[in-house]
Amino acid sequence: GAGVSQSPSNKVTEKGKDVELRCDPISGHTALYWYRQSLGQGLEFLIYFQGNSAPDKSGLPSDRFSAERTGGSVSTLTIQRTQQEDSAVYLCASSLPGLATEAFFGQGTRLTVV
Amino acid sequence: AQSVSQHNHHVILSEAASLELGCNYSYGGTVNLFWYVQYPGQHLQLLLKYFSGDPLVKGIKGFEAEFIKSKFSFNLRKPSVQWSDTAEYFCAVNKRGNTGKLIFGQGTTLQVKP
Repeated sequence: GAGVSQSPSNKVTEKGKDVELRCDPISGHTALYWYRQSLGQGLEFLIYFQGNSAPDKSGLPSDRFSAERTGGSVSTLTIQRTQQEDSAVYLCASSLPGLATEAFFGQGTRLTVV
Repeated sequence: AQSVSQHNHHVILSEAASLELGCNYSYGGTVNLFWYVQYPGQHLQLLLKYFSGDPLVKGIKGFEAEFIKSKFSFNLRKPSVQWSDTAEYFCAVNKRGNTGKLIFGQGTTLQVKP
């Protein structure tokens, strides 16, 4: 596809369940980002992958959150034992390699924990 | 640590009014600067960007921003807003180079009254 694709677009889960969110970046984009957007909280950085380098996980809020990127392309964000405060829109973005490039965002996955 | 501060959280203007949204960042190195916009129900999209060169950059839809290095600022301006500019605006910064994760401000909600 032409843009960043995220699935599912909406996810409702029960508290305590695990969820997986998927991101397909734009082909050729080596950098991939995950953000969380909560009402009134702006965009909270979660994790950043760049090529074969070790990911920057400094934004993950707890050890219940993890992400992987297979084959330098598709990424999965996993939230274990979901809590109500995990409810938010999870955004994925990707960008080309280089010193000065812009990030392109997907539509996001709206996660609701009930 | 890098941080981005947007001073205005909610701005209400009438059509044809002038707009200026403040953005300050804290990072001493060479940075790339961005403004993203999120229209209601749509994904984040790039409004404009500064990488190097002329500190006054022009973006889509008549927006412009000025990078003032001495003030660590990258304020967004538009001389005359339209109802269709109603959206949320995010300032973002990253470190120049391949390892630069993108950090966002809290966002400013702009409401333009017809």
